[in-house]
Amino acid sequence: NAGVTQTPKFQVLKTGQSMTLQCAQDMNHNSMYWYRQDPGMGLRLIYYSASEGTTDKGEVPNGYNVSRLNKREFSLRLESAAPSQTSVYFCASNSGGGSYEQYFGPGTRLTVT
Amino acid sequence: KQEVTQIPAALSVPEGENLVLNCSFTDSAIYNLQWFRQDPGKGLTSLLLIQSSQREQTSGRLNASLDKSSGRSTLYIAASQPGDSATYLCASEGGSQGNLIFGKGTKLSVKP
Repeated sequence: NAGVTQTPKFQVLKTGQSMTLQCAQDMNHNSMYWYRQDPGMGLRLIYYSASEGTTDKGEVPNGYNVSRLNKREFSLRLESAAPSQTSVYFCASNSGGGSYEQYFGPGTRLTVT
Repeated sequence: KQEVTQIPAALSVPEGENLVLNCSFTDSAIYNLQWFRQDPGKGLTSLLLIQSSQREQTSGRLNASLDKSSGRSTLYIAASQPGDSATYLCASEGGSQGNLIFGKGTKLSVKP
């Protein structure tokens, strides 16, 4: 039982390049989330998926797209990376709704030059 | 909109001391409050989840309390150890979707 896994762990991009961050969970959770963590700003929600086949914007969705590929996998895509997207990205999951414990992946450290 | 605040931003204590970390939130109509630990360069480890119907949760040397009426939660760490040094984050869910609203954390340093 690996919990929540993320790939890659580290990535350096040039401005304008694209990439997809991958996330998978093996806990049969319904809901999945993408957050970014920046110094002084804390963690902020980018997008979430309440269930397979649905996605919704969070607090800071601009510049990102997501895909809930199946119940296990939720990917985050940067179509044209900008230096402002330099951050640590965390994927998380829970059983669904507000009552449940949320589990986090190890994070992806992204630098955009 | 829910806002979560943690005070102090940083705390340094000698080993063996008991300590309290504070968390406050603006909307008392919450489903739960969750405490996390984050080591430098690492992900978030869930420590304790307090559901809205509960007043406290305990795990080993950790005890978290929740007072919805005052909009406060505390994390009590007993007999602190250098290995407890980390940043502690509290988070409340931002809505029924289950996403979390985080405080900015308290960076704890326990000196041997």
